Amino acid sequence: TQLLEQSPQFLSIQEGENLTVYCNSSSVFSSLQWYRQEPGEGPVLLVTVVTGGEVKKLKRLTFQFGDARKDSSLHITAAQPGDTGLYLCAGASQDSNYQLIWGAGTKLIIKP
Amino acid sequence: ETGVTQTPRHLVMGMTNKKSLKCEQHLGHNAMYWYKQSAKKPLELMFVYNFKEQTENNSVPSRFSPECPNSSHLFLHLHTLQPEDSALYLCASSQRLAGEATDTQYFGPGTRLTVL
Repeated sequence: TQLLEQSPQFLSIQEGENLTVYCNSSSVFSSLQWYRQEPGEGPVLLVTVVTGGEVKKLKRLTFQFGDARKDSSLHITAAQPGDTGLYLCAGASQDSNYQLIWGAGTKLIIKP
Repeated sequence: ETGVTQTPRHLVMGMTNKKSLKCEQHLGHNAMYWYKQSAKKPLELMFVYNFKEQTENNSVPSRFSPECPNSSHLFLHLHTLQPEDSALYLCASSQRLAGEATDTQYFGPGTRLTVL
């Protein structure tokens, strides 16, 4: 069974601080996605990474796919209250018939 | 506004009731999904429809019955549910292309279901 473990489960920091959240697995994924979910809404895609070692930047957010395509990280620089939300990673592979396997999420709160 | 709407947004039902959740996508996608989201747990994929045909049923109890009359509409019929079925039920859609491993899923806001 493929699993994605996200850490930490919960993180509360002050505005302006930097943070990194992680998404780890013992399985190899063809692609990995990060979504953000705000209260009362569904998840919204932030980024898709497909190549081992790939780094993508979205303003203050930096996403990295591990060289072995088993893990990923999300780094936020100078966090803002608008970054508050539940961050979910999801991976797809041939083993999952390319259906997304989801992590349980990191709940992030940025205090003003 | 993601182009995927769900109704109702909140639903409280007893264990003997029958109710239905509705999802509509305005994106012209060919695939639609039902997910269950419980606190601190990964999203659980329940059903997948591709061009109105069910392609996945992840061992979901028969008290959940999906219906997909066309590519834009998806229903989840509920009957004799259990309190542990209380959760956020999310609908999503995507454009699945042959030969592509990953597509982007667009989610509705969900229906918060409470079973008493």
